[in-house]
Amino acid sequence: NAGVTQTPKFQVLKTGQSMTLQCAQDMNHNSMYWYRQDPGMGLRLIYYSASEGTTDKGEVPNGYNVSRLNKREFSLRLESAAPSQTSVYFCASIHTTYEQYFGPGTRLTVT
Amino acid sequence: KQEVTQIPAALSVPEGENLVLNCSFTDSAIYNLQWFRQDPGKGLTSLLLIQSSQREQTSGRLNASLDKSSGRSTLYIAASQPGDSATYLCAVTNTGNQFYFGTGTSLTVIP
Repeated sequence: NAGVTQTPKFQVLKTGQSMTLQCAQDMNHNSMYWYRQDPGMGLRLIYYSASEGTTDKGEVPNGYNVSRLNKREFSLRLESAAPSQTSVYFCASIHTTYEQYFGPGTRLTVT
Repeated sequence: KQEVTQIPAALSVPEGENLVLNCSFTDSAIYNLQWFRQDPGKGLTSLLLIQSSQREQTSGRLNASLDKSSGRSTLYIAASQPGDSATYLCAVTNTGNQFYFGTGTSLTVIP
């Protein structure tokens, strides 16, 4: 039982490059979330998926797209990376009690 | 919009001391409140989840209380140890769809 896994752990991109962050959970949860964490700003919600086949914008969706591939997997895509997207990205899976379980994070630097 | 505040931002205590971390929120109509621990460079680990109908939850040396009417929660750590050094975050949800995080309290326990 791995919980929530994220790949890659680290990534360096140049401005304008694209990439996809992968997230998978093995807890059979319906809801999955993507957050970014920046110093002094706490965690901010980018997108979430309340169930397979649905996605909704969070607080800071601009510059990102998501795909809920199936119940287990929820990916986050940066189409044209910008330095403002340098951050730590966390995926979370939500139990029916609304308890959140987090992955280990992806540390992204955009130069 | 829900606002979550954690004061102080940093706390340093000698080993063995009992301590209290604070979390306040502006909208008292919450569904639940969750406390997390985050070690440097790591993801968030869930410590305690308090449903809106509950007043407190306990796990080992940790006790979390919730006072919805005053918009406050406290995390009590008994007999602190150097291994407790980490950042502690709280998060609330009003609807079960969006979660709001504080910016955390960075705790250092001095041997």
